[in-house]
Amino acid sequence: RKEVEQDPGPFNVPEGATVAFNCTYSNSASQSFFWYRQDCRKEPKLLMSVYSSGNEDGRFTAQLNRASQYISLLIRDSKLSDSATYLCVVNPRAAGNKLTFGGGTRVLVKP
Amino acid sequence: GAVVSQHPSRVICKSGTSVKIECRSLDFQATTMFWYRQFPKKSLMLMATSNEGSKATYEQGVEKDKFLINHASLTLSTLTVTSAHPEDSSFYICSATSGVPGELFFGEGSRLTVL
Repeated sequence: RKEVEQDPGPFNVPEGATVAFNCTYSNSASQSFFWYRQDCRKEPKLLMSVYSSGNEDGRFTAQLNRASQYISLLIRDSKLSDSATYLCVVNPRAAGNKLTFGGGTRVLVKP
Repeated sequence: GAVVSQHPSRVICKSGTSVKIECRSLDFQATTMFWYRQFPKKSLMLMATSNEGSKATYEQGVEKDKFLINHASLTLSTLTVTSAHPEDSSFYICSATSGVPGELFFGEGSRLTVL
């Protein structure tokens, strides 16, 4: 079983619609969680951290479910510019930044 | 914000040659940098952790004699792919930590094609 698993997609989303997807992780002791965004042939960039209580940043909402060992990302009012691959990232340790990346979920927002 | 610069962005070489990729943190000191490789439509795979002034820590399955890492200063780490073969063709990306947990700044990546 992979340490971090994601549905590769693609999720084809009409512009203005809402899309949500999950990511599961296998290490129950994982300490922190993040969503990164990666555009085609570009480097990943931090989108947002995922807090235990859930958090929102504009149109993006992230949630953590420790009991079921998954995190989620919801995008509201999708824009064409939201088209990208979203990487679920887990830090299994309390310190350091040796992160484990999921394979990514591809989102395509269409007019 | 913090910027990490990676060079070259694209390199094509002949089989058997060596290629050096540089990763620089431009506006912060990075005691730790990470090197990844990514195959098309696959996730980033951590190759090694580069520590300034000491030997790199390689992930299981990564040949340290083939992928030489040097982190001679707080702003520069280099990855040398020695005796490159076509199967080494990949997207190599470095990252550096600013110290904030989970916040990594990535270089632009280097696309290596070995003929």
